[in-house]
Amino acid sequence: DQQVKQNSPSLSVQEGRISILNCDYTNSMFDYFLWYKKYPAEGPTFLISISSIKDKNEDGRFTVFLNKSAKHLSLHIVPSQPGDSAVYFCAASGSSNTGKLIFGQGTTLQVKP
Amino acid sequence: GAVVSQHPSRVICKSGTSVKIECRSLDFQATTMFWYRQFPKQSLMLMATSNEGSKATYEQGVEKDKFLINHASLTLSTLTVTSAHPEDSSFYICSAGRGLYSNQPQHFGDGTRLSIL
Repeated sequence: DQQVKQNSPSLSVQEGRISILNCDYTNSMFDYFLWYKKYPAEGPTFLISISSIKDKNEDGRFTVFLNKSAKHLSLHIVPSQPGDSAVYFCAASGSSNTGKLIFGQGTTLQVKP
Repeated sequence: GAVVSQHPSRVICKSGTSVKIECRSLDFQATTMFWYRQFPKQSLMLMATSNEGSKATYEQGVEKDKFLINHASLTLSTLTVTSAHPEDSSFYICSAGRGLYSNQPQHFGDGTRLSIL
């Protein structure tokens, strides 16, 4: 039972354009969502998070949107840069599971120069 | 800089060997750490929650006698894969968080690539 889903395994965008990565979840008890970036043979690096009391959080080029009614979140990267090329994981956590994260399958982003 | 250190980064050993992986929080104390496993092109799957001074909590389907977890101090958790077999070959990653509550991001180590021959 995949509680967090990233249905697009890969995404390719041109440098300077917007990258939009999507994530869906099924468990309505999740109240905290995170995006991580991962390079091969390395651990995930935290990018940005959002609490369920918000619908948007912005940090520089990265913005996360949360639609609770649709149980959907997305990560927008604008403008995209070649250095953004990596695997992006969304993760969710519930208030009863302190720190315990449920990850999506990941989306490989390629930003072409 | 890195806030969670994991060692070793890569292990290659023979079937039947036991392998210990260390996870350290570098500049903060972590009463709870987490161990994940990732198969190629798949998601990170939580294996267990490591609790300082008490027994680890294992996720469903994870053999606690196979994957021994020890969290003896506030900055160190270890995962021992006992009598490892080729099917245990995977990428193991630990994480720790600065805060006690879910609104603090977990920081991950760089992972350990375990290859059992």
